Amino acid sequence: AQTVTQSQPEMSVQEAETVTLSCTYDTSESDYYLFWYKQPPSRQMILVIRQEAYKQQNATENRFSVNFQKAAKSFSLKISDSQLGDAAMYFCAYRTLNNNAGNMLTFGGGTRLMVKP
Amino acid sequence: GAVVSQHPSWVICKSGTSVKIECRSLDFQATTMFWYRQFPKQSLMLMATSNEGSKATYEQGVEKDKFLINHASLTLSTLTVTSAHPEDSSFYICSARDWAGLGGNSPLHFGNGTRLTVT
Repeated sequence: AQTVTQSQPEMSVQEAETVTLSCTYDTSESDYYLFWYKQPPSRQMILVIRQEAYKQQNATENRFSVNFQKAAKSFSLKISDSQLGDAAMYFCAYRTLNNNAGNMLTFGGGTRLMVKP
Repeated sequence: GAVVSQHPSWVICKSGTSVKIECRSLDFQATTMFWYRQFPKQSLMLMATSNEGSKATYEQGVEKDKFLINHASLTLSTLTVTSAHPEDSSFYICSARDWAGLGGNSPLHFGNGTRLTVT
């Protein structure tokens, strides 16, 4: 079974600054997907960014980028030019390619990001 | 884009009654749907995986007789909390896998969740 660990329960960043959220995972699989989801107070799950494990290049989506270190099983999220609307819970998630498991997602414990004006 | 409709968005029920939550894929076929439970300030915990036309697979520790899951069609899965108790109060979220994709590349879409309060 896979596990996902987010070691930072809470993080704070000044508006317009950069913040990095940490995530590590444990797996015996060689191929998989990793995700970062944002959950604002509305509780809607919003996909922020996705990384395929077979790709060495780190994924980027506008102000969001990841640092994927496969050997270290690390998948951190960097948010540049932080905005007030970035304040939310952020979940790191692992997705297995095992069809028998329905390609399910396993979530980390979450990091609450606060953005100070 | 693909939408998953989850209904109701919130419900209050009395202890001992049953509550049904619906998860419907509106513009795609979902062969697999996942049901998650989220307690305040905690992460999403997978309760069960439902596949259309077959029995759901429950995670360890989840009572299948208490949390009844039915996935009778490619667009609808339901979660029924039977004989609800206050400790069942939580936020329940469904996620649907788009049949159109393959394996891990098949998109996953989330419903907006249901807040259940049992009094």
